[in-house]
Amino acid sequence: DGGITQSPKYLFRKEGQNVTLSCEQNLNHDAMYWYRQDPGQGLRLIYYSQIVNDFQKGDIAEGYSVSREKKESFPLTVTSAQKNPTAFYLCASSITAGRDTQYFGPGTRLTVL
Amino acid sequence: AQKVTQAQTEISVVEKEDVTLDCVYETRDTTYYLFWYKQPPSGELVFLIRRNSFDEQNEISGRYSWNFQKSTSSFNFTITASQVVDSAVYFCALTNAGGTSYGKLTFGQGTILTVHP
Repeated sequence: DGGITQSPKYLFRKEGQNVTLSCEQNLNHDAMYWYRQDPGQGLRLIYYSQIVNDFQKGDIAEGYSVSREKKESFPLTVTSAQKNPTAFYLCASSITAGRDTQYFGPGTRLTVL
Repeated sequence: AQKVTQAQTEISVVEKEDVTLDCVYETRDTTYYLFWYKQPPSGELVFLIRRNSFDEQNEISGRYSWNFQKSTSSFNFTITASQVVDSAVYFCALTNAGGTSYGKLTFGQGTILTVHP
């Protein structure tokens, strides 16, 4: 089945640690995105990538890093510089960046202990 | 700058009632795209509809219908004969077709819909 997978579903991190969230898609989409959702709020864009080996910062990129070495993979690293990382993280992809519909993965819930 | 406002934070209805979720948007672009997504308790966002700024036709899909009015910058979503399975958070979102916001979805705050049996 085609779709977007994210792992792990739940992640616990100690303060000061870096963690990497996985996002894989087999939809052959060029564009991929990372969003953050806080309780009672809408989603905010962290990073996006229009094509392989290219990515741009979104609205809240500070304390995060990404890579796009393969078309199907777009991992997000939450660094120790992110002051409030506890949130729900959603990965999405679309055929191309811009007007195409973004389809979302199941999300990863990150909690900092 | 783009903005999406969903003024209804929470709505509670009884099964079989009709319910309308409001969405008002702001954008300076003449070409843009509007979306509705559903977020059930599992957390995954489920795509419901995409509408471009040049297509003001209302759309109906089963019990769902959407009313797009450029004159009032609104894109409202109605569920007819609501069911318990409709309980979820619903998001309205907006993107333009290019520029510096290329690919970015601007989301509203979401409306929590609870349908009671």
